[in-house]
Amino acid sequence: GAVVSQHPSWVICKSGTSVKIECRSLDFQATTMFWYRQFPKQSLMLMATSNEGSKATYEQGVEKDKFLINHASLTLSTLTVTSAHPEDSSFYICSMRNSGHFEAFFGQGTRLTVV
Amino acid sequence: DQQVKQNSPSLSVQEGRISILNCDYTNSMFDYFLWYKKYPAEGPTFLISISSIKDKNEDGRFTVFLNKSAKHLSLHIVPSQPGDSAVYFCAAKNGGSNYKLTFGKGTLLTVNP
Repeated sequence: GAVVSQHPSWVICKSGTSVKIECRSLDFQATTMFWYRQFPKQSLMLMATSNEGSKATYEQGVEKDKFLINHASLTLSTLTVTSAHPEDSSFYICSMRNSGHFEAFFGQGTRLTVV
Repeated sequence: DQQVKQNSPSLSVQEGRISILNCDYTNSMFDYFLWYKKYPAEGPTFLISISSIKDKNEDGRFTVFLNKSAKHLSLHIVPSQPGDSAVYFCAAKNGGSNYKLTFGKGTLLTVNP
């Protein structure tokens, strides 16, 4: 199956700093990329969708200036959490799909803890 | 408003028996359904999917059934194995071109040896 690599797998940062999470497709070209966050015992909540060459489309309630998404190429997307606060602590997961397939493939996820 | 519901937060079955995971949805515009398996601190792994024009799809030990009139789908795992113990998410795609998936809250399956 398709491989999506996400890193770091976990990160601890101080409140007020920024954190960048990378997501790469290793063996396919990702035409669409998604970023999710998951709180404990909750579902995956979609934050934003991006297509290569276009700006990300954010879901309602997600601050685009706080969660910067860059769909740099067909194999790379980054999520930068700017000026992180403790309430941003969560599990962030990227997912990618290529054209012609409905199923999306997920990265391993990043556990962010803001102290 | 939860459009994809997995009403059972957990399920426990004996090894070798059948596991049945259920999912209900409310949006009649969903045209594709997927099941993902997730271990703690890992991303979900795609398991099996079904188009809304079908009522069954089988892949090895995994079978997904879709009842459109009831807006209900289920994942059957037979025989269940201890390695199947994980959280299973039901997801649905809205008809259209954006390919966004809506997820249920997941069901924790525990298969006991």
